[in-house]
Formats: sequence, C-alpha cells, structure tokens
Amino acid sequence: QVTLRESGPALVKPTQTLTLTCTFSGFSLTTYGMRVTWVRQPPGKALEWLARIDWNDDIFYNTSLRTRLTISKDTSKNQVVLTMTNMDPVDTATYYCARLYDRTGYLDYWGQGTLVTVSS
Amino acid sequence: SYELTQPLSVSVALGQTAIITCGGNNIGSKSVHWYQQKPGQAPVLVIYRDTNRPSGIPERFSGSKSGNTATLTVNRAQAGDEAHYYCQVWDSSVALVVFGGGTKLTVL
Repeated sequence: QVTLRESGPALVKPTQTLTLTCTFSGFSLTTYGMRVTWVRQPPGKALEWLARIDWNDDIFYNTSLRTRLTISKDTSKNQVVLTMTNMDPVDTATYYCARLYDRTGYLDYWGQGTLVTVSS
Repeated sequence: SYELTQPLSVSVALGQTAIITCGGNNIGSKSVHWYQQKPGQAPVLVIYRDTNRPSGIPERFSGSKSGNTATLTVNRAQAGDEAHYYCQVWDSSVALVVFGGGTKLTVL
C-alpha cells in the first residue's frame, strides 16, 4: 500500500525559507522508475507543479521557480525534502507530494497536502 | 512554455454525459492524464495515458484524444462527480509537468 504524507510549518514569515518533508511508504526511491514530485495549489486556484526527483538522482524544477527550489531525497528514511527560499504571501498554498509513475509522468498516489501560509 | 487549456466550467444534468476538454499544441504526441479534485481533498487520478482507468475508478469515466484536444467523458453523471478536473502532461522536451487550469463540473 502506497502512502505519502507531507509535513512542515503551517506558517512562515516573508523572506524565510520553507522546508517541507514528504515521508512515503509502499515503494522505494532506489527502485528503477520511481519518482516523487511536489505540487502546490493556492487557495481557490489551479495545481502548479514544482519539482521532481527520480530514483537515479535526476532532478527537474519548474522553470519559473527553479532559483528558489531545492529537492533532495533520503532513501534510508523514505523521505523527499523540498526547500523554497524567500517566501512571499503569494506562495501561500497547499503543498502536495505525489508519486510520479511511468515515463509518461502521471501522479498515481498523492499525500493529503499541507497548507502553508506566508504572513508576517 | 507548454500550456493546456480547459474550460472554466461545465454543467451537466443528473444522469447525462459530461464532456471536459483539454487543448494543447501537438497534444496528440503526448500522454494525457486526468485528475478529479473534490473540495478539501487531494487530487485523484481518474485517467492515465489518455484512456486508461486506475483500479477503483468507475467505468463511467473515460478518456480520448483527437487532434489537439484530449477529452474526459463522464457518463451518467452523478452528484458525487461534482468536482474540479485537471488534465496533465509530461512535456519531455523541457522535462516539465504541466497542468491545465482546471474545470469545475457541476451536476444539475
């Protein structure tokens, strides 16, 4: 059974760095073809893809946010960590992690999401 | 950057067929995936690789593609199908996941 769970602060101040952790089970990021991705959704708005990390350490970022994002993995803990620097109120959103399956890139399992509010 | 275009909203009478479109340049060369998202919940994959249904998704949900448009069809729409629906592709040319803007399906 595949599960993912996001954790991190619910509130961050402007200019601070956000660190989110995705803890997953039911698969391993050392297995060929496994990938984990982060997606966010501002309140009332559409989904926005952020970053992806693959079993082979390949990493991809949303072009418009790449200077602020870092994704990494700890395979011994079954965790993927996303950091986003210089947080702004427009970054207020629910942040999801999901398993990205297959070379065609569909997200077959999602965490429940964590709401991050950026406010002073 | 690659863009996917969806109608903001679609309405369907209870028991009728809803059609949600997703347009994109040369979308025929890409695999399209669809997600259902109900209020306060995470998205759920309902169609992958254009036409495939994950286990547990009712047969009333189907996907197709023609030309520059992918389509999600919901047959015999139920009140429980009311949700936002998002299409998504993996743009391999720039290694990016791309989502459409989402369509709110209302069952009347």
